[in-house]
Amino acid sequence: KQEVTQIPAALSVPEGENLVLNCSFTDSAIYNLQWFRQDPGKGLTSLLLIQSSQREQTSGRLNASLDKSSGRSTLYIAASQPGDSATYLCAVDSGGGADGLTFGKGTHLIIQP
Amino acid sequence: NAGVTQTPKFQVLKTGQSMTLQCAQDMNHEYMSWYRQDPGMGLRLIHYSVGAGITDQGEVPNGYNVSRSTTEDFPLRLLSAAPSQTSVYFCASSRTYTGELFFGEGSRLTVL
Repeated sequence: KQEVTQIPAALSVPEGENLVLNCSFTDSAIYNLQWFRQDPGKGLTSLLLIQSSQREQTSGRLNASLDKSSGRSTLYIAASQPGDSATYLCAVDSGGGADGLTFGKGTHLIIQP
Repeated sequence: NAGVTQTPKFQVLKTGQSMTLQCAQDMNHEYMSWYRQDPGMGLRLIHYSVGAGITDQGEVPNGYNVSRSTTEDFPLRLLSAAPSQTSVYFCASSRTYTGELFFGEGSRLTVL
């Protein structure tokens, strides 16, 4: 059964810093990996989707990489802003039907003004 | 830009009561799913559907029923609510089975 781990569980950094969030998974046989953002009391917003054949995806200040062989993905946030404060979730799609996406427990990010 | 719409946003039930959480999407997505989110447990799949008339069980289906009579709607029914079903429920949809997933705002359910 796929397991997804996100480190660190919480992170607090000053505004303007570049930062990296980590996601690891145990089974490299995946269809894709998605990064989501969740604001308090809200739903999940998709940030980036990386197909298994891709190495990275970029959207604005966000860059996500995927290394299937080592079971790792990173989300790089450049020039962080207070509005980036949220919980970031990594989810792996193993195409397993009943398992759906396997989610990590998230990294709670606080950007200090 | 409605996307995925869930109702109600909040609900309090007594043990043994039944209710339906509504989910509708206007993106003509084939794949729809229900997740529950609990502290320390992450999100877990309850039921999913790959198209109208087709549903299947996820990781934690017990106590829940679903149906998919149209592409747009995917209601989740709690048959006899239990305190263990206190959770935040999210409906999600995607264009394809392994495509980018779009989530609703969530429905917070408390069972007393």
